[in-house]
Amino acid sequence: NAGVTQTPKFQVLKTGQSMTLQCAQDMNHEYMSWYRQDPGMGLRLIHYSVGAGITDQGEVPNGYNVSRSTTEDFPLRLLSAAPSQTSVYFCASSRLGGGTDTQYFGPGTRLTVL
Amino acid sequence: AQSVTQLDSHVSVSEGTPVLLRCNYSSSYSPSLFWYVQHPNKGLQLLLKYTSAATLVKGINGFEAEFKKSETSFHLTKPSAHMSDAAEYFCVVSDRQGYSTLTFGKGTMLLVSP
Repeated sequence: NAGVTQTPKFQVLKTGQSMTLQCAQDMNHEYMSWYRQDPGMGLRLIHYSVGAGITDQGEVPNGYNVSRSTTEDFPLRLLSAAPSQTSVYFCASSRLGGGTDTQYFGPGTRLTVL
Repeated sequence: AQSVTQLDSHVSVSEGTPVLLRCNYSSSYSPSLFWYVQHPNKGLQLLLKYTSAATLVKGINGFEAEFKKSETSFHLTKPSAHMSDAAEYFCVVSDRQGYSTLTFGKGTMLLVSP
């Protein structure tokens, strides 16, 4: 049981490049989400999904796209990277929604945009 | 709407002394409250959660928190700090409505000196 996995661990992009951050979970969780963590800001929700085929925006969705074709995978796409997207990105999953369930976090992806 | 305020960005204690990390919340509904811990360069791990049962909640590694509705607080305590407790701690609120999302505080860095 690997839990929540994220790839890559580190990534450097140039402004304007696109890329996909991968997230997978093997716990059959319905709810998955993406956060970004910036110094002094805590974690802020980017997008979330309550099941395959269902996604919604969080607090800071601009510049990011998501899709959920399977229960296991929830990739995050940066369409045209900007320096403001330099951050640490965390994927999380839970059995149900965030209301009462424990969130299980991946180890994070550290992204630098030059 | 929901929000959470962690009253201290940094807390320094000596090993063996008590720990107090303060958190106040705001929620339109009866909230769920969580404390998560993040060790350096790691993902987040649940310490404890309150979801409407007992107001005094015990978590892992000797931590506990008390939900005080009248004070809208959920402070985290531990009787005796250990060097391994040095980490960043996040207070998190959710309004416990279906697939509700989480709102994170900005974090408190706990420093433990020998």
